[in-house]
Amino acid sequence: GQNIDQPTEMTATEGAIVQINCTYQTSGFNGLFWYQQHAGEAPTFLSYNVLDGLEEKGRFSSFLSRSKGYSYLLLKELQMKDSASYLCAVRADYKLSFGAGTTVTVRA
Amino acid sequence: DSGVTQTPKHLITATGQRVTLRCSPRSGDLSVYWYQQSLDQGLQFLIQYYNGEERAKGNILERFSAQQFPDLHSELNLSSLELGDSALYFCASSVGLGSDYEQYFGPGTRLTVT
Repeated sequence: GQNIDQPTEMTATEGAIVQINCTYQTSGFNGLFWYQQHAGEAPTFLSYNVLDGLEEKGRFSSFLSRSKGYSYLLLKELQMKDSASYLCAVRADYKLSFGAGTTVTVRA
Repeated sequence: DSGVTQTPKHLITATGQRVTLRCSPRSGDLSVYWYQQSLDQGLQFLIQYYNGEERAKGNILERFSAQQFPDLHSELNLSSLELGDSALYFCASSVGLGSDYEQYFGPGTRLTVT
């Protein structure tokens, strides 16, 4: 199985930057995903990394280091609508395993 | 709107009963995945179908079963329901099997077992 760890909660100010770390232990790794989920709603795809390095997508960037079993999601220029849970998910053998999620609260 | 539809949106039933949740994937997607999300367990992968065949199994109880039909819609059957089965059940779909295929989630079915 997969062991996926991410912080439970983070708080930041509007306009600031927040970095959400995710560490994992798995065999048969073939990709890491980040999803955003607002309370009571479906998760929506943010980013995907399969090779080491940084993937940038607008205000969101995601980094992966496979040798360290480590990823982070960087949220820049935070907006109030970014208040949500951010889920790190690791794919291995066709199965996607999710971390418990990090609840980000953006304050004015 | 992800293009994945799930019915019903809400379901309230009693312990010991059986329910069926339905999912229609996005047009063109061959893979369907089922997930359970409860407050204390997070999002848990249950099962995946690809073009009608079961491809991967996660933490799915024996009381639960699923299938994917020729038109690619899928159903998740939950039987002998217990209070602990109360959760949000999500269906997701993707184009193929590979690891780089993004999964699109439906709006979920909220199941309450009383």
